[in-house]
Amino acid sequence: AQSVTQPDIHITVSEGASLELRCNYSYGATPYLFWYVQSPGQGLQLLLKYFSGDTLVQGIKCFEAEFKRSQSSFNLRKPSVHWSDAAEYFCAVESGGYQKVTFGTGTKLQVIP
Amino acid sequence: NAGVTQTPKFQVLKTGQSMTLQCAQDMNHEYMSWYRQDPGMGLRLIHYSVGAGITDQGEVPNGYNVSRSTTEDFPLRLLSAAPSQTSVYFCASRVRGPNTEAFFGQGTRLTVV
Repeated sequence: AQSVTQPDIHITVSEGASLELRCNYSYGATPYLFWYVQSPGQGLQLLLKYFSGDTLVQGIKCFEAEFKRSQSSFNLRKPSVHWSDAAEYFCAVESGGYQKVTFGTGTKLQVIP
Repeated sequence: NAGVTQTPKFQVLKTGQSMTLQCAQDMNHEYMSWYRQDPGMGLRLIHYSVGAGITDQGEVPNGYNVSRSTTEDFPLRLLSAAPSQTSVYFCASRVRGPNTEAFFGQGTRLTVV
């Protein structure tokens, strides 16, 4: 069965600093991978997704993620964090049958001035 | 377009009561899902549907029923509420096929006392 691990429950960064959120997946075949963001009291919004091709994927709000098959990772990055990026971030993997999407436990990002 | 609409936004139930959480989407999406979100556990899939008349269980289906009589609606029924069902519930929809974006409702915060 597919699974997703986000090892960092909570991360604090200073505004303007770079950000990397970790995600490791477990899936037998080529995975379909996603990053979503959840602002307080809101539903989730897609940041970016990966299926195949270029291993560096660009998303909204200047986020990017790199797929590394050898490490089973799909880490999310941003070069310069803004206070409005404070939210919870979820990595997700989709099964080959297309119907099920499994989410990680999330990483809560705090941004300090 | 309204997107994915969930009602109610908040609900308090007594143990043993039943209720239905409503979910409607106006994007003609074939795939719909229900998740529950609990602290430290991310989003866990309860039930999902790949089209009208077709539903299947996710990873935490016990205590919940679903049906899908139309493309637009995917209600979640709690048969006999228990305190363990206190959670935030999210409905999501997406178009058929791999690697497609899920659109989420705003969530329903349910408390069972």
